[in-house]
Amino acid sequence: SQQGEEDPQALSIQEGENATMNCSYKTSINNLQWYRQNSGRGLVHLILIRSNEREKHSGRLRVTLDTSKKSSSLLITASRAADTASYFCATAGGTSYGKLTFGQGTILTVHP
Amino acid sequence: NAGVTQTPKFRVLKTGQSMTLLCAQDMNHEYMYWYRQDPGMGLRLIHYSVGEGTTAKGEVPDGYNVSRLKKQNFLLGLESAAPSQTSVYFCASTPTSNQPQHFGDGTRLSIL
Repeated sequence: SQQGEEDPQALSIQEGENATMNCSYKTSINNLQWYRQNSGRGLVHLILIRSNEREKHSGRLRVTLDTSKKSSSLLITASRAADTASYFCATAGGTSYGKLTFGQGTILTVHP
Repeated sequence: NAGVTQTPKFRVLKTGQSMTLLCAQDMNHEYMYWYRQDPGMGLRLIHYSVGEGTTAKGEVPDGYNVSRLKKQNFLLGLESAAPSQTSVYFCASTPTSNQPQHFGDGTRLSIL
């Protein structure tokens, strides 16, 4: 079963706009991770946020985590056409041996 | 530095045939994972390994077997392929259970 639910399923924006993707999960976690997948390729790690953290930044990416609401969001600022990809959140439980449970993903399209 | 390499990249099988997918990593990672990705369902964990000589079942292990005889290699076997196993298979590795995973580019498997 899928741990995470991502919203929206698809997002279409213009270059320069911000893109926000949301992820909700059901059980307690050790950390939550965001990955990007370009068409026909493997997943690439973006950001890992631990359960005791509330916000992390990496370049144009900002991730928030609200453990009380069991939700996370990924914000991409000043989007570029090259950001077009699928974005997945994944959760790792406390004693999970690093096993990840993925959401269904958000397909982001950035128009030039 | 190749990272995670999966072979083959594409394969078409007939129902009932067997095959082995190979995952090799050159980063000396302890943990390795096999996922499958189906349209609209994100990634689901098939089997995983926490070190050389160890394997364990994930969320969807039925119809698959794995082996980790060498630390750098994680093999996924289909003994009698079924059309329901048509999917894209991804291998991933990580040095510890609390760090991001590194993914290969996937094996696209079709079973007729």
